Amino acid sequence: DGGITQSPKYLFRKEGQNVTLSCEQNLNHDAMYWYRQDPGQGLRLIYYSQIVNDFQKGDIAEGYSVSREKKESFPLTVTSAQKNPTAFYLCASSRYGQLNEKLFFGSGTQLSVL
Amino acid sequence: QKEVEQNSGPLSVPEGAIASLNCTYSDRGSQSFFWYRQYSGKSPELIMFIYSNGDKEDGRFTAQLNKASQYVSLLIRDSQPSDSATYLCAVTPLVFGKGTRLSVIA
Repeated sequence: DGGITQSPKYLFRKEGQNVTLSCEQNLNHDAMYWYRQDPGQGLRLIYYSQIVNDFQKGDIAEGYSVSREKKESFPLTVTSAQKNPTAFYLCASSRYGQLNEKLFFGSGTQLSVL
Repeated sequence: QKEVEQNSGPLSVPEGAIASLNCTYSDRGSQSFFWYRQYSGKSPELIMFIYSNGDKEDGRFTAQLNKASQYVSLLIRDSQPSDSATYLCAVTPLVFGKGTRLSVIA
């Protein structure tokens, strides 16, 4: 089955620690996205990538980093500079990265701070 | 800064009624509009998209777009308890509203 796989489902971060969230897709989609969702809130864009080895900052990129070394993978690192990382993180993809395309979402990662 | 505004709700409707969800957007040049449904603790799923002024119908769902007034709405006819969820309005994949929580009362 084609789809987007996020792992882990739950992740705990200690103070000062960097953690990496995994996102893999086998849809052969060009574009991938990372969103953050806080309780009762909508999705806020962290980073997106329309092509391998290239990515753009979204509205809330500070304290996060990404890489896009392979078409199917778009990992997100939450760095120690992100002081309030507790949130639900969603990865998504779209076929060509055009603005009129729908998104396909992974099942999400809930990140909490210990 | 492009913005999308939604009433956070909760919007409560009785079973069988029409639920009306509204969304306004700030960028007059926006061309693509999406409605996603999100159940608690789950990821969003697309239920409707619309690009042209007017109405677009798909089963019990109707999306309405008025570019002159910069609003897009979603109507759900014959609402069912299974429709209880948060509905997110998106203008392109890059900008989402905060979502409206819908509760359908049996």
